[in-house]
Amino acid sequence: AAGVIQSPRHLIKEKRETATLKCYPIPRHDTVYWYQQGPGQDPQFLISFYEKMQSDKGSIPDRFSAQQFSDYHSELNMSSLELGDSALYFCASSQNSGESYNEQFFGPGTRLTVL
Amino acid sequence: AQTVTQSQPEMSVQEAETVTLSCTYDTSESNYYLFWYKQPPSRQMILVIRQEAYKQQNATENRFSVNFQKAAKSFSLKISDSQLGDTAMYFCAFSLFGNEKLTFGTGTRLTIIP
Repeated sequence: AAGVIQSPRHLIKEKRETATLKCYPIPRHDTVYWYQQGPGQDPQFLISFYEKMQSDKGSIPDRFSAQQFSDYHSELNMSSLELGDSALYFCASSQNSGESYNEQFFGPGTRLTVL
Repeated sequence: AQTVTQSQPEMSVQEAETVTLSCTYDTSESNYYLFWYKQPPSRQMILVIRQEAYKQQNATENRFSVNFQKAAKSFSLKISDSQLGDTAMYFCAFSLFGNEKLTFGTGTRLTIIP
């Protein structure tokens, strides 16, 4: 079965550079979530999209922006990178089927290292 | 805001034994979802089991079962007949609605000893 695809899997950037992380949800999934997991920490919700519209926003820095495109893939854009942005970034997708619960399927993550 | 607390940073158990991981949460809502996620060394997040708060019956998935105590706001995970492949970080998570963001606890690192 197809899974959530994230690219790149690993990314190394210098401070103050920009980075773009991409997420390709499972086919027919219309909702995307982004989470950030710092070293030794639990995943923290950043932002989510449903049908190409932002549906919720968490602790996402103003330096970060994201969007969901017409093909439902999503991109997380990160500018003025700081050392503290080094983390594993997860994307998860789900299908809003109208049921009370729709499982979030996680991608393998993008490991961002800021030097 | 909802909070999730896991008070056991690390646990270890012999292979084939039973182990219980603890989780407490705080919410003023009456209906919500609770989850246990497994994160092995590969760092992939894998859903182990979920519980819907309005359901009285505790969820079970093969060797994994939960003890959901709504009044106490407690949600523990029991792993029976533990296997080496169960070695992982386990996160308890909360979602207010089934289509909403997940709020995670700080995790419990479980090691299964051969």
